[in-house]
This record gives sequence, structure tokens and C-alpha cells, in this order.
Amino acid sequence: GNSVTQMEGPVTLSEEAFLTINCTYTATGYPSLFWYVQYPGEGLQLLLKATKADDKGSNKGFEATYRKETTSFHLEKGSVQVSDSAVYFCALRGGSGYSTLTFGKGTMLLVSP
Amino acid sequence: GAVVSQHPSWVICKSGTSVKIECRSLDFQATTMFWYRQFPKQSLMLMATSNEGSKATYEQGVEKDKFLINHASLTLSTLTVTSAHPEDSSFYICSASDSDTQYFGPGTRLTVL
Repeated sequence: GNSVTQMEGPVTLSEEAFLTINCTYTATGYPSLFWYVQYPGEGLQLLLKATKADDKGSNKGFEATYRKETTSFHLEKGSVQVSDSAVYFCALRGGSGYSTLTFGKGTMLLVSP
Repeated sequence: GAVVSQHPSWVICKSGTSVKIECRSLDFQATTMFWYRQFPKQSLMLMATSNEGSKATYEQGVEKDKFLINHASLTLSTLTVTSAHPEDSSFYICSASDSDTQYFGPGTRLTVL
């Protein structure tokens, strides 16, 4: 079945540092890949997505590239801000027509001034 | 982007009572809606999937008689927690899907005393 593996957190960075959160997946077929962000006490917000190999999703300075050869979708940002502190979830959908999202366990990011 | 609302955002109830949570897609018609449960510092657990006008499909281990789901229209789904007990206290998040992407509501914090 489908699965998503994320690096465990928390990830603690200083403001303006470079961020990488690793995500790898296992799926049959050709899944779509997503990053969602959850701020404290809130629901999930779609951050970015990629629907086919070599696509790069980007939003708010974050980006991730769909790498089929390494089955990865690592999230990166060149310069984090305190306001980026949140939990980040990697997810995949589909692959064989199955429409339910499969989530990773989430990675908490803490950015200090 | 697409907006999904939930109501109420938080609710406190006595043990043995029932609680209804509404989920609405505000600017699009959702072919499918999903209900998730999230425990503190954990990922989302899919409870059930529903399509408009048909019975919900529950995940293994989720009691369908306890968590009643009604998907009355393409923009509204409701989750009723019947005879709630303290162990049902959790953060419940709904999601609505168009053909490709899932959009999440802000969540409902349920506390059962």
C-alpha cells in the first residue's frame, strides 16, 4: 500500500536559516504529492503540490520537487521566518485511482528570532 | 483558493450527549468529503469518506453507529458523535475534494466532560 515517511522533528532553526524537511514515499502508479502546513490550533492548509515527475511545487518561498527516481518530495525554503513555525505534513494521493490522501506523521518546525 | 468551513470551531459537551459538526465547501462543489481525527502531536487519522447522496465508507476500527456521517449535498457534510464519552475528545477535521486536491477545514475541538 501507499506510505509516506517524513523526518522526525522538531526541527529547530534560527530566523533566516535554510530549511529542508525530507519526505520519501512508497506508492504504486503515479501519485500526486502534497505538502500541507498546520499552524497551532488550526486545520491543514495546502502549501504546495506536484502532480507528475520532475514537477516543482512552490508557494510562499517554499518549494519541493517530485523526484520519481528517488521517490522523494523534500520541502525546502531558503530563509525561514518565525511565522513559519508550524507542523508540516507530506502527503500523497492516488497512484492507482485511489483518491484518499496518505499522510506522513508530520514534522514540527520551530523558528527562533 | 478553495475554502472549507467547519462549525462549531470548538464544543464542550457532557458525557452521553450527541454533538453535530458541520463541514461546508464555500466556493466549490465537493465530489467527496472526508472526516479525520487528530490526536495531540500526531498525524491525521482518516475516519470515513463520503460521497454526496450515498453512504459513507468507514475506515477499519471506526464505529459507524457512533460517528454518523451525512453528506446531504455537494457543499455540506455533517459528522454526529453520538453518546459522546471523554475518549471521544479530539480535534476533528473535515476535508472536501474537487477532482484533484483536498482542502481542509479549520477543525473542531471536541471536549467531552
